[in-house]
Amino acid sequence: KNEVEQSPQNLTAQEGEFITINCSYSVGISALHWLQQHPGGGIVSLFMLSSGKKKHGRLIATINIQEKHSSLHITASHPRDSAVYICAVEVKTSYDKVIFGPGTSLSVIP
Amino acid sequence: NAGVMQNPRHLVRRRGQEARLRCSPMKGHSHVYWYRQLPEEGLKFMVYLQKENIIDESGMPKERFSAEFPKEGPSILRIQQVVRGDSAAYFCASRQDGSRETQYFGPGTRLLVL
Repeated sequence: KNEVEQSPQNLTAQEGEFITINCSYSVGISALHWLQQHPGGGIVSLFMLSSGKKKHGRLIATINIQEKHSSLHITASHPRDSAVYICAVEVKTSYDKVIFGPGTSLSVIP
Repeated sequence: NAGVMQNPRHLVRRRGQEARLRCSPMKGHSHVYWYRQLPEEGLKFMVYLQKENIIDESGMPKERFSAEFPKEGPSILRIQQVVRGDSAAYFCASRQDGSRETQYFGPGTRLLVL
């Protein structure tokens, strides 16, 4: 069993739809990251969370530490949101080692 | 303040050659992490360095791979005698001192071994 899991693995949405990507983990963490990777491109950090909820533009990220679960929401989705979204956790050690989820590939159709 | 920089962005090597990947962290960042993304796979931690010290190299193959982060200059990930299985995207990330600081990722180096 992977220590960080994401669902769904692939997601196709119509432009304008509300999108939710889920992440669950099984290790103790000090923080959780949501990352965005465009095809052939680099990685952009969207959020770092240790509790509660954060919002940036059309993106919202929430985390429930007790349930070991986080969600990334995209409101009013747009084709430019098409990318792979990766959940990553910083393991609660002195080394801040990061374990990545497998990613969710999102395609938003006009 | 420039972001994390990696060079080269693309690197082609023949089997048996050496590959050197460079990562310049953001200004003021003394912590560097290297990650590898194999084709069709997720990102995996390789090594965590602070200036002049390797803190955790548990994710790095024991042979042919080495990493350094000297007092001056970029962090270097070196792969000796490359094999086709080394073809991947290699990302570095850097962060400031402090336990609550986020990691910032570089654009990656795509290594292709022929």
